[in-house]
Amino acid sequence: EVQLVQSGAEVKKPGESLRISCKGSGYSFTNYWINWVRQMPGKGLEWMGIIDPRDSYTNYSPPFQGHVTISADKSISTAYLQWSSLKASDTAMYYCARLGGDYNSNVDYWGQGTLVTVSS
Amino acid sequence: QSVLTQPPSVSGAPGQRVTISCTGSSSNIGAGYDVHWYQQLPGTAPKLLIYGNRNRPSGVPDRFSGSKSGTSASLAISGLQAEDEADYYCQSYDSSLSGPYWVFGGGTKLTVL
Repeated sequence: EVQLVQSGAEVKKPGESLRISCKGSGYSFTNYWINWVRQMPGKGLEWMGIIDPRDSYTNYSPPFQGHVTISADKSISTAYLQWSSLKASDTAMYYCARLGGDYNSNVDYWGQGTLVTVSS
Repeated sequence: QSVLTQPPSVSGAPGQRVTISCTGSSSNIGAGYDVHWYQQLPGTAPKLLIYGNRNRPSGVPDRFSGSKSGTSASLAISGLQAEDEADYYCQSYDSSLSGPYWVFGGGTKLTVL
């Protein structure tokens, strides 16, 4: 059974760093790209970026470029989303999501989400 | 503002049919890229509803259907049921930037009256 299991909820202060994780199981982790998607409270889905776990190639949506870092460790089938300096506006639910095929494909599996709260 | 435009809300009575539109541009839907639809029930992760413009994953009732024409796509839900009350999002690939880039619609809240 394919699963993406994300790390637990986090409460952080502005300026702190954070790394959240997404562990894939039940499939060959390096065969599928992993997306990260943000959902701010009461708002819609926003595509943040993507990583190819085979070679850690990444691409980011312009609003997120330079503010977050996406990485992966294929030896443990885990993708990461990282901030070096959080802002209150980073408060949101973050989902990892597997791309089911090539660039024209849909997301076929979603993680359960990680709630990040940034507050002083 | 989302690259793909959806109405913020739609509503219908049980048993009725509703449609949700998703309007893009020549760099995404109009370029021939597929449109996919997701349903998000309150407090849960999104779930794939329609892929490749009009295909239903196994387990999705045939009350849900998708179509695409030009720079737009639509999701139709017939025989509305209370359990259909959720947020719906369209998604497509976009070629306007260098590198792979995906876009979502802003989402549509369906209310079953």
